[in-house]
Amino acid sequence: KNEVEQSPQNLTAQEGEFITINCSYSVGISALHWLQQHPGGGIVSLFMLSSGKKKHGRLIATINIQEKHSSLHITASHPRDSAVYICAPSQGGSEKLVFGKGTKLTVNP
Amino acid sequence: DAGVIQSPRHEVTEMGQEVTLRCKPISGHNSLFWYRQTMMRGLELLIYFNNNVPIDDSGMPEDRFSAKMPNASFSTLKIQPSEPRDSAVYFCASSVGRPTGELFFGEGSRLTVL
Repeated sequence: KNEVEQSPQNLTAQEGEFITINCSYSVGISALHWLQQHPGGGIVSLFMLSSGKKKHGRLIATINIQEKHSSLHITASHPRDSAVYICAPSQGGSEKLVFGKGTKLTVNP
Repeated sequence: DAGVIQSPRHEVTEMGQEVTLRCKPISGHNSLFWYRQTMMRGLELLIYFNNNVPIDDSGMPEDRFSAKMPNASFSTLKIQPSEPRDSAVYFCASSVGRPTGELFFGEGSRLTVL
């Protein structure tokens, strides 16, 4: 069983839709990162959170430590949001990240 | 700050050759990470340093791989001898360190070993 499970693996949406990407993990963590990677591009850190909720523009990330679950939400999705989104918890007590396989999001105009 | 700087951006080499990838972290960041990304395995941590000291190298595939961080502003990842299965994108990232800080990634070095 993978230590980090993301769902869905692929997601296609129409511009303006509300998007949710889920991440479940089995390792004990100190923090969880959400990363964004555009096709052929580099990797950008969207959020790092260890509890509760964080919001940045149209993006919202939540985490439930007890349930070992995190979600990334995108409100009013836009074609430029098309990318792979990767969940990466850091194992408790270290900076070592364990990576999910990513969710490929395509937002059509 | 210019961000995390990696070089070369692209490298094509022949099997058996030595490959050296370079990384300059963001000034003031005390943790540096080397990751590898392939289609089959996704992102994997190879090694990370804190205050120039290797903390966890359990992801380094085998003895052909080595990494150094001689000072706070420079790190290298060396593959000798290279093999076709080493073909991947290698990312360097840095953070302000413990407790876990936000990660900043370089643009990656795409390695092709023929």
